[in-house]
Amino acid sequence: DGGITQSPKYLFRKEGQNVTLSCEQNLNHDAMYWYRQDPGQGLRLIYYSQIVNDFQKGDIAEGYSVSREKKESFPLTVTSAQKNPTAFYLCASSIWGGVRGRDEQFFGPGTRLTVL
Amino acid sequence: QKEVEQDPGPLSVPEGAIVSLNCTYSNSAFQYFMWYRQYSRKGPELLMYTYSSGNKEDGRFTAQVDKSSKYISLFIRDSQPSDSATYLCAPGGGATNKLIFGTGTLLAVQP
Repeated sequence: DGGITQSPKYLFRKEGQNVTLSCEQNLNHDAMYWYRQDPGQGLRLIYYSQIVNDFQKGDIAEGYSVSREKKESFPLTVTSAQKNPTAFYLCASSIWGGVRGRDEQFFGPGTRLTVL
Repeated sequence: QKEVEQDPGPLSVPEGAIVSLNCTYSNSAFQYFMWYRQYSRKGPELLMYTYSSGNKEDGRFTAQVDKSSKYISLFIRDSQPSDSATYLCAPGGGATNKLIFGTGTLLAVQP
């Protein structure tokens, strides 16, 4: 089955710790995205990548880091510099990252991160 | 002003009702318009998309875009309890060619 997987589903972090959220896709999509979802605020873009070994900051990149060493993988690290990391994190992918037109994004099931 | 405004609800309707979900946007450069449905604690799934002003129908769902007034609507006919979810509008194609998501409207269809 083609799709996007995220792990873990639930993650608990102590203050001051870095944690890494996994995102893998087997859709052969070029572009991948990370969003954060908080109640009443919709989806906010953290980072996106349109091609391997390249990525750009989104609207709320501070306190986060990413890497794109493989086309199918786009892990997100939530660092201790992120002041309010408790949220629902969603990974998405799309065929061509919008540079050629319509950008249908397909989402993973999400990871719920809680800071203790 | 946010680029996309969407009433967060919650919106509660009886089974069988017609539901109207709406968004307004400010960026006239948006070229395509998507609606996503998100069940509780799940990732959003693409429901419908449209490029131009006018209506697009898919089963019980109709997406409507009015570019002149920058207004997007999703209509659900004969609503079912299984339609209970959060609905997010997402226009795209502006200067960054990225999707911009509304906050989502929480819909509850009562049996």
